[in-house]
Amino acid sequence: GENVEQHPSTLSVQEGDSAVIKCTYSDSASNYFPWYKQELGKRPQLIIDIRSNVGEKKDQRIAVTLNKTAKHFSLHITETQPEDSAVYFCAASNNYGGATNKLIFGTGTLLAVQP
Amino acid sequence: DVKVTQSSRYLVKRTGEKVFLECVQDMDHENMFWYRQDPGLGLRLIYFSYDVKMKEKGDIPEGYSVSREKKERFSLILESASTNQTSMYLCATVPGGKETQYFGPGTRLLVL
Repeated sequence: GENVEQHPSTLSVQEGDSAVIKCTYSDSASNYFPWYKQELGKRPQLIIDIRSNVGEKKDQRIAVTLNKTAKHFSLHITETQPEDSAVYFCAASNNYGGATNKLIFGTGTLLAVQP
Repeated sequence: DVKVTQSSRYLVKRTGEKVFLECVQDMDHENMFWYRQDPGLGLRLIYFSYDVKMKEKGDIPEGYSVSREKKERFSLILESASTNQTSMYLCATVPGGKETQYFGPGTRLLVL
């Protein structure tokens, strides 16, 4: 089955710097890669996702890149702010024909943005 | 606005007790999931359901069962709670044919 590895487990950056979180997946059939953000004491929420037919997607200060050949994808946050501090989870699944399939989550990255 | 609720935010139970965790959604979503969240292990799927009375095992189903008698409600059952089931339990829902998972607030369970 699918396995998703996520690194680093913790990341501390200065406000204004960039942060990068990397994930690798094992199942080459995976075609959907979301990222969830979980603030302290809150529920996880989707912040961005990418499908296997594109290599990069951007939404304001966050972007995700996908390398299908190497089977890895990354989350990039630019100009970090204290409110970006949270645990970030990557995930992977295959989703063919509109059927909802289960997500396999990475182990999470605790991002701390120092003011 | 998607609303997913869980019956308790905090729960304390004794070893051997039968424990029910309830998840209710008001958006008519077909798909519902139960995860447990542990530090350093991320979110691990316990069970999921694509429809009423339908269930499938996730990656760590041992020691758990589920029930989905109505579309809006998905229950997680710990038949005989053990200390290694102390964890945060998160429910999630997904509309049919979609991918975004909408999470509940979580239930932090402590088994003594």
